[in-house]
Amino acid sequence: DQQVKQNSPSLSVQEGRISILNCDYTNSMFDYFLWYKKYPAEGPTFLISISSIKDKNEDGRFTVFLNKSAKHLSLHIVPSQPGDSAVYFCAAKGDDYKLSFGAGTTVTVRA
Amino acid sequence: GAGVSQSPRYKVAKRGQDVALRCDPISGHVSLFWYQQALGQGPEFLTYFQNEAQLDKSGLPSDRFFAERPEGSVSTLKIQRTQQEDSAVYLCASSTQGTDTQYFGPGTRLTVL
Repeated sequence: DQQVKQNSPSLSVQEGRISILNCDYTNSMFDYFLWYKKYPAEGPTFLISISSIKDKNEDGRFTVFLNKSAKHLSLHIVPSQPGDSAVYFCAAKGDDYKLSFGAGTTVTVRA
Repeated sequence: GAGVSQSPRYKVAKRGQDVALRCDPISGHVSLFWYQQALGQGPEFLTYFQNEAQLDKSGLPSDRFFAERPEGSVSTLKIQRTQQEDSAVYLCASSTQGTDTQYFGPGTRLTVL
């Protein structure tokens, strides 16, 4: 069963505006969450992560928010740039090494 | 430094053929992972190595799939008697230790005809 869900397969946003990507998980043992970005014909590239002891982590234009009670996390990209157009994967893991991925959200940034 | 590399990048096989996919992890990375990514889906875990030891192969879909890392660096994923449902992108990732951030290679796209 899918333990990590990204319910929006695609997102279109105007350049300069905020992109908000959402991710839900079902496994309460997950305590570390990551976002990966993927361009066509390339492998996923690590973007940002957050531990369950935090509710927010920021790195430049990227901020990840974690709501443990709702088992929900989101990635905010501000401001969105054309180079942000890619597929974004949410991933989660517990105290071991296995990553569970969502199906991805394709972001298109319009000029 | 160099990232994770994989070869070949693309592989077309006839049903029933055996294939071998290679992964060169980041130098010094102890942990190595294989994932399978079907079209429109996220990567799914196949197997995990710590150095040369295969500690987890619970994700391998059948006994036609076999992975090895004999010297604790390069790894090979072998698929015997390929079937059409094996068509996917096979991703390799490595990390300094098992629980650290995993860095992915570009993947091998396998198409079985």
